[in-house]
Amino acid sequence: GAGVSQSPSNKVTEKGKDVELRCDPISGHTALYWYRQSLGQGLEFLIYFQGNSAPDKSGLPSDRFSAERTGGSVSTLTIQRTQQEDSAVYLCASSLKAVSNQPQHFGDGTRLSIL
Amino acid sequence: GENVEQHPSTLSVQEGDSAVIKCTYSDSASNYFPWYKQELGKGPQLIIDIRSNVGEKKDQRIAVTLNKTAKHFSLHITETQPEDSAVYFCAAIGLNTGNQFYFGTGTSLTVIP
Repeated sequence: GAGVSQSPSNKVTEKGKDVELRCDPISGHTALYWYRQSLGQGLEFLIYFQGNSAPDKSGLPSDRFSAERTGGSVSTLTIQRTQQEDSAVYLCASSLKAVSNQPQHFGDGTRLSIL
Repeated sequence: GENVEQHPSTLSVQEGDSAVIKCTYSDSASNYFPWYKQELGKGPQLIIDIRSNVGEKKDQRIAVTLNKTAKHFSLHITETQPEDSAVYFCAAIGLNTGNQFYFGTGTSLTVIP
């Protein structure tokens, strides 16, 4: 079936604006993950969901970041009052369930640019 | 938490030669080690993974080896082709790290035709 889908693929916005990023996981995958990848860098874990619950929010960089997931499917990552340091590629991944030996499958990300 | 180190950061090989990328991890409880390939403008794609109950796994030109005692694992690509050029990431995850993948910092592989 279809892979992980993220939208928009690119987003350019002015500093101080709010942005909302969307992730549609692989059908049947109960676990969903958000990562951030800065230019030329590795992947920084932000948050994960098992079903609609986010057991660990400690990876979110600041209280301007929030995420939710409804219906055990689509998730949105919201960044309020964006700053230039928020510019990065935001990647979403999903896996069958949130256990340690399950592979995570990634979408192509949203490239966020803050002017 | 887990700490994953990856070397080298850049690697250039001639087409047809082999490429080896190495990663070390710190948490002895880690039990799953995937490798991802990321092409420009794309998300990471899982290419091979290994679980802690085996020492080696092979899939065509790609192989991964795991040394649990030394806490390191390696990706081996044989008969490299230009389309192998990409950034490769290793990752580790285990019981003590919840469900967070800890990624290495990536290796940019260039295969020279």
